[in-house]
Amino acid sequence: DAGITQSPRYKITETGRQVTLMCHQTWSHSYMFWYRQDLGHGLRLIYYSAAADITDKGEVPDGYVVSRSKTENFPLTLESATRSQTSVYFCASSDAVAKNIQYFGAGTRLSVL
Amino acid sequence: QKEVEQDPGPLSVPEGAIVSLNCTYSNSAFQYFMWYRQYSRKGPELLMYTYSSGNKEDGRFTAQVDKSSKYISLFIRDSQPSDSATYLCATEGGTSYGKLTFGQGTILTVHP
Repeated sequence: DAGITQSPRYKITETGRQVTLMCHQTWSHSYMFWYRQDLGHGLRLIYYSAAADITDKGEVPDGYVVSRSKTENFPLTLESATRSQTSVYFCASSDAVAKNIQYFGAGTRLSVL
Repeated sequence: QKEVEQDPGPLSVPEGAIVSLNCTYSNSAFQYFMWYRQYSRKGPELLMYTYSSGNKEDGRFTAQVDKSSKYISLFIRDSQPSDSATYLCATEGGTSYGKLTFGQGTILTVHP
């Protein structure tokens, strides 16, 4: 499928478990981003990546880990999930010239019980 | 204070109405202004993109930016039920990596 895809779309897990959310894009975009969306907060940046093997923290990185070994993939890992990480997670990508024009995936709805 | 403030609504209008959605922002470094539309259970999709002050029109949609008052608007003419969605304003400027700062989003319902 062309575009940006996230998996799984829905995930229920328990406190303390490790969870990995996947993101894959087919545009060969340099930049990829992870956001979380919560009521009252809008979308907040967790981590971003400018290229393979280059990642950096966003606004709310605590409790999350990212990696980017290939340009097209940008997984987000919650090493020990907490209830406060219950949220909707969106992955986005953009090219290096127009970094602020970002294309979003459909999201992963995560519930931590 | 949040860098971008947006009234979450909800806003309910009849079909055919003119809709006005607004945001204010505090950071003078913001240069780029965007409106995203987000349908229920979907990801945000870019609707309008403007640089600096001025107006931009695309079909029934007009984006307006007033940098002197730090005010961003989106107008929807002849609103349709298919326009029912959450509208998110976003700004960017002053970073090397395209960091977007979003408003909370306004929930809009257009009823037939």
